[in-house]
Amino acid sequence: DGGITQSPKYLFRKEGQNVTLSCEQNLNHDAMYWYRQDPGQGLRLIYYSQIVNDFQKGDIAEGYSVSREKKESFPLTVTSAQKNPTAFYLCASSIRSYTGELFFGEGSRLTVL
Amino acid sequence: GQQLNQSPQSMFIQEGEDVSMNCTSSSIFNTWLWYKQEPGEGPVLLIALYKAGELTSNGRLTAQFGITRKDSFLNISASIPSDVGIYFCAGPYRDDKIIFGKGTRLHILP
Repeated sequence: DGGITQSPKYLFRKEGQNVTLSCEQNLNHDAMYWYRQDPGQGLRLIYYSQIVNDFQKGDIAEGYSVSREKKESFPLTVTSAQKNPTAFYLCASSIRSYTGELFFGEGSRLTVL
Repeated sequence: GQQLNQSPQSMFIQEGEDVSMNCTSSSIFNTWLWYKQEPGEGPVLLIALYKAGELTSNGRLTAQFGITRKDSFLNISASIPSDVGIYFCAGPYRDDKIIFGKGTRLHILP
């Protein structure tokens, strides 16, 4: 079945450690997105990519990094520079960036101890 | 950055009641989308609107694209327990940056 797979679903990290969240899609979608969700804050855009080897910063990119070496994959690294990394992270894809019709993964919950 | 303002933030209703929520922006949007999120999952697209004035239904859900292009409305008729969740409006800002409102959390009282 086609879809988006995020892993791991739950992740614990010590302060000062980098962590990478995986996002893979087999929908043949061009665009991919990473959002952060905090209680009562809605979804805030971290990074997005319209095509392979290209990506743009969203509204809260500081302390995060991404790569888009393959169409299917858009991993997110939460670096030690991110001041408050504990959150629910959602990856999404879209057949084309301007439609807004996103397919989401099930999310990864990161807790910093 | 650009924000989408949703209201109300939360709603407590009785099963069987109708629900109305809205989303406003200070900028014009060419597309409005409504998503629903259940606990521990990613949001799922409910309705997409592409033309000012457009009214679109999906079962008991009806959404409208405001004439000014700065707002949208979502109505749920005859609510049932599985309607519980967070409803988000969203739209492409500057064509490729998809932004979301903070959501309306729907609670249904037994």
